[in-house]
Amino acid sequence: DQQVKQNSPSLSVQEGRISILNCDYTNSMFDYFLWYKKYPAEGPTFLISISSIKDKNEDGRFTVFLNKSAKHLSLHIVPSQPGDSAVYFCAASGSFQKLVFGTGTRLLVSP
Amino acid sequence: DVKVTQSSRYLVKRTGEKVFLECVQDMDHENMFWYRQDPGLGLRLIYFSYDVKMKEKGDIPEGYSVSREKKERFSLILESASTNQTSMYLCASSLVFWGTSGRISYNEQFFGPGTRLTVL
Repeated sequence: DQQVKQNSPSLSVQEGRISILNCDYTNSMFDYFLWYKKYPAEGPTFLISISSIKDKNEDGRFTVFLNKSAKHLSLHIVPSQPGDSAVYFCAASGSFQKLVFGTGTRLLVSP
Repeated sequence: DVKVTQSSRYLVKRTGEKVFLECVQDMDHENMFWYRQDPGLGLRLIYFSYDVKMKEKGDIPEGYSVSREKKERFSLILESASTNQTSMYLCASSLVFWGTSGRISYNEQFFGPGTRLTVL
């Protein structure tokens, strides 16, 4: 049972435009959400997170929105840059330090 | 900067071989994790350890074992490698702190570069 779902395996965006990556979860006990970015042949790196007590967190070009009633979060990248091309994983946490990851969305930002 | 290193970037083994994947972190983190990443399946937790000599099964522990004899080192062992264990293996670590309600783990995990294991 996939508790964290990223329904779009890939997304293509032009440089300078907005990228929106989506993530849905089913477990209402999740209270902390993270986004990781992964380049080929490298480990994932932490990008941004949000606690369930908030509905928005912003860090530079990256903003994460959380809609608890819909069990949905999204990552907005504005403006998108070619260096943002990577696989993005959504992750959720609710119990002892275990993260549950989504299947990932491959973002391609073209010049 | 937190550094998590893995012993090999690429590894090719034969079916039935015993395989050791080593992970070392240099930031004195209590928690350490082993994941595998497969296309379309994301990252799946194999085992984790929250202290020396302590281990907990993750979501897919079958066919794997782990060892944590020292705080900085967490080893993943494939007792008898099979072709369905061909995958990217990722090690991660995270910090723990003590809050008013007890031991609390930071959610942010730091990952190593991964080991691409091929079992023939």
